[in-house]
Amino acid sequence: DAGVIQSPRHEVTEMGQEVTLRCKPISGHNSLFWYRQTMMRGLELLIYFNNNVPIDDSGMPEDRFSAKMPNASFSTLKIQPSEPRDSAVYFCASSLVRAEAFFGQGTRLTVV
Amino acid sequence: QKEVEQNSGPLSVPEGAIASLNCTYSDRGSQSFFWYRQYSGKSPELIMFIYSNGDKEDGRFTAQLNKASQYVSLLIRDSQPSDSATYLCAVNALRYGGATNKLIFGTGTLLAVQP
Repeated sequence: DAGVIQSPRHEVTEMGQEVTLRCKPISGHNSLFWYRQTMMRGLELLIYFNNNVPIDDSGMPEDRFSAKMPNASFSTLKIQPSEPRDSAVYFCASSLVRAEAFFGQGTRLTVV
Repeated sequence: QKEVEQNSGPLSVPEGAIASLNCTYSDRGSQSFFWYRQYSGKSPELIMFIYSNGDKEDGRFTAQLNKASQYVSLLIRDSQPSDSATYLCAVNALRYGGATNKLIFGTGTLLAVQP
């Protein structure tokens, strides 16, 4: 398996623009996680899905953030409108329930 | 109180010494515990997982779990400069009859192994 695949690897956008991050989990995994990592706050859980259903989105910072998982092989995290404080590395990870999570390479987002 | 707490470090140890990394967690319902290593600019990668109280050894690494004290640790024996990285503790709490799977990370401890 190719592992968790995220795209794009790097994204630079202007404040106010819409940003969409994409993730393909490992085939057969039934849990998917979106994390945001910054120096100040570390690795924060934004939202996680079980069997394509959002279970806990309490980490989503505000309504500008939304996530979807239309099927078992694809998820998106959308920020609209983006702000400079959204600049961070966004990781997607997938796992089986109770098992270790495997991370994608991350998307480095810069909002100017 | 944070759900998973770690000392941010840096923890500096000489090459060949034992590095001891610690983590505490707040949710007594937590059932799975993981240690990840993250090199600068890279994604976290799994080193160890532990589910039961006691010690678990894998090569130079030993994970220790004490559920009564809500404490997890990672020991790295014969530390090498290549072990220099940030070590992240992660805790997984099963809820709703095991149907969910919330994986929370600490902020990580930076380890520096001096040659």
